[in-house]
Amino acid sequence: GESVGLHLPTLSVQEGDNSIINCAYSNSASDYFIWYKQESGKGPQFIIDIRSNMDKRQGQRVTVLLNKTVKHLSLQIAATQPGDSAVYFCAEIKTDSWGKLQFGAGTQVVVTP
Amino acid sequence: DAGITQSPRHKVTETGTPVTLRCHQTENHRYMYWYRQDPGHGLRLIHYSYGVKDTDKGEVSDGYSVSRSKTEDFLLTLESATSSQTSVYFCAIRDNYGYTFGSGTRLTVV
Repeated sequence: GESVGLHLPTLSVQEGDNSIINCAYSNSASDYFIWYKQESGKGPQFIIDIRSNMDKRQGQRVTVLLNKTVKHLSLQIAATQPGDSAVYFCAEIKTDSWGKLQFGAGTQVVVTP
Repeated sequence: DAGITQSPRHKVTETGTPVTLRCHQTENHRYMYWYRQDPGHGLRLIHYSYGVKDTDKGEVSDGYSVSRSKTEDFLLTLESATSSQTSVYFCAIRDNYGYTFGSGTRLTVV
């Protein structure tokens, strides 16, 4: 598969615990943010998004928090499961930029039993 | 993956040879993107398209060209492959759910 051997920050989480993944974004003009999950051999998959006029958004087992003051995003995963093991990326977009996504480097999440 | 396919899935090529990767979508979306993924860099934009024959450069476009002669196909060409272009390449479309990515092409230049 398309494993890229990423040398990433790793978050080890016990099954059932909550996970918090952090991301610092670079462009203060970005107004839309997305979290992606990438499993080995696959392309990034959408998890949740948030617009810059919000500071929190909840999905199923996931919550994204946005702090524009310090240009920081976080993804919280409740009751982490083995299937949550993957690389997680945040991406930012400035709306009038033809939709070009700017990705962070990613965080490897490893869920232990 | 939501009507987006990449071909080939894997390719090994020699330095100096031309290579073309194909991205095909079935849903008539206007915006298409090519990214490369390397260790420590996340995904970086190579080129993008905002319509038939409308393309522009991303942040790492040197050594790459693209073409979009019809809505459904977005081709990425390495005119003369180099070892630094060994990478995993992802195509993405901008759709009603945000963005959908293909499964990627692993390209090795030897």
